[in-house]
Amino acid sequence: EVKLVESGGRSVQPGGSLRLSCEASGFRFSDSAMHWVRQAPGKGLEFVAGISGNGGSTYESKAVKGRFIISRDNSQNTLYLQLGSLTTDDMAVYYCARDGGSGNYGENYFDSWGQGTLVTVSS
Amino acid sequence: SYVLTQPPSVAVAPGQTATIPCGGDDLGMKGVHWYQQRPGQAPLLVISYNGDRPSGIPDRLSGSISGNTATLTISRVESGDEADYYCQVWDYKSDLVVFGGGTKVTVL
Repeated sequence: EVKLVESGGRSVQPGGSLRLSCEASGFRFSDSAMHWVRQAPGKGLEFVAGISGNGGSTYESKAVKGRFIISRDNSQNTLYLQLGSLTTDDMAVYYCARDGGSGNYGENYFDSWGQGTLVTVSS
Repeated sequence: SYVLTQPPSVAVAPGQTATIPCGGDDLGMKGVHWYQQRPGQAPLLVISYNGDRPSGIPDRLSGSISGNTATLTISRVESGDEADYYCQVWDYKSDLVVFGGGTKVTVL
């Protein structure tokens, strides 16, 4: 059974930074591209960032480019998202999601999701 | 940037059929994926590549595409189908994942 467990969400001040983690189990982690998707309170889903299976290729949405960094440690079956220069617009539940496609780069859709971790940005 | 358009809400009586459209330019050239999100839960993939159902998804849910509109159809609607539904594509031109705004399905 695929399992994704996010952690690291908490309340942080504007301008602050934070690192989210996602521990994966139940599948060969290094074989799957992985992603972060967020959802602001009462709003829809928004793609944040993605990373290839070997970690060699990453991409981020325009909203977070230059502020957030996605990475992974395949030896620890863990996905990360480093958040920086946080604003109130970044307040959301952050979901870790497995790519539904095969191959190192995946196919950019999401067949398994974690339960999410809440990031609150407030002074 | 690429935009996927969904109606904010759809209401349907139990046992009837709900249809949720998702519109976008050149949609027929992209693979459309659909997610169900029940209140307080994480999203769940229900349709991939326009019409493929993952294991465990009931065949009451189906997907189709015609021209620039993809459609998620829920037949014989049940109270458990009450949820938000999102369409999603990969826009190869901008190299980004795009979600529709979501449609809230209410079972009357």
